[in-house]
Amino acid sequence: ELKVEQNPLFLSMQEGKNYTIYCNYSTTSDRLYWYRQDPGKSLESLFVLLSNGAVKQEGRLMASLDTKARLSTLHITAAVHDLSATYFCAVDETGTASKLTFGTGTRLQVTL
Amino acid sequence: GAVVSQHPSRVICKSGTSVKIECRSLDFQATTMFWYRQFPKQSLMLMATSNEGSKATYEQGVEKDKFLINHASLTLSTLTVTSAHPEDSSFYICSARTDYNSPLHFGNGTRLTVT
Repeated sequence: ELKVEQNPLFLSMQEGKNYTIYCNYSTTSDRLYWYRQDPGKSLESLFVLLSNGAVKQEGRLMASLDTKARLSTLHITAAVHDLSATYFCAVDETGTASKLTFGTGTRLQVTL
Repeated sequence: GAVVSQHPSRVICKSGTSVKIECRSLDFQATTMFWYRQFPKQSLMLMATSNEGSKATYEQGVEKDKFLINHASLTLSTLTVTSAHPEDSSFYICSARTDYNSPLHFGNGTRLTVT
């Protein structure tokens, strides 16, 4: 059974600081996604990582994928309050662009 | 961009009644849609894969007679929670993708409360 674990589960950080969220998964896969969820809302797609070594950046967020280590990271640079949300990674278990297994989620709180 | 529309956004129903949730792909055709469930402060769990013109594929532990899925067209999938009970109260979210390399696009979700 595929397991997808995120670390940390909760992160409180000050504005302007940097931090990294880690996503470890237990099976081989080269398709990984990052999503953002605001309270009471649905999920918003952030990044699609489709190969080993893939790196994507959007604003203050940067995601990378290391399929050999079965690890993806979401790096936050100079956090701002608007980034407060829950972030999920999701692994394409079969590599067929079908079933996604979601990580445990990381609740990020950026304080002033 | 691709949009997935879900309706209703909130529903409160009495125990024993059935509730239907609709999921539409607004600007693309989706032969496959996915239904997820999310309990408060938890992750998403895939319930079933909805296939246009054929039977849905349910994940282990999901009762197919309780969660009826119909995918009658390339733009519409429905999830019916039959004989709902309070433990069915949850956030239900549908999703679809536009092509093989696209992310899943999620609907806005339906918060179901069974009293």
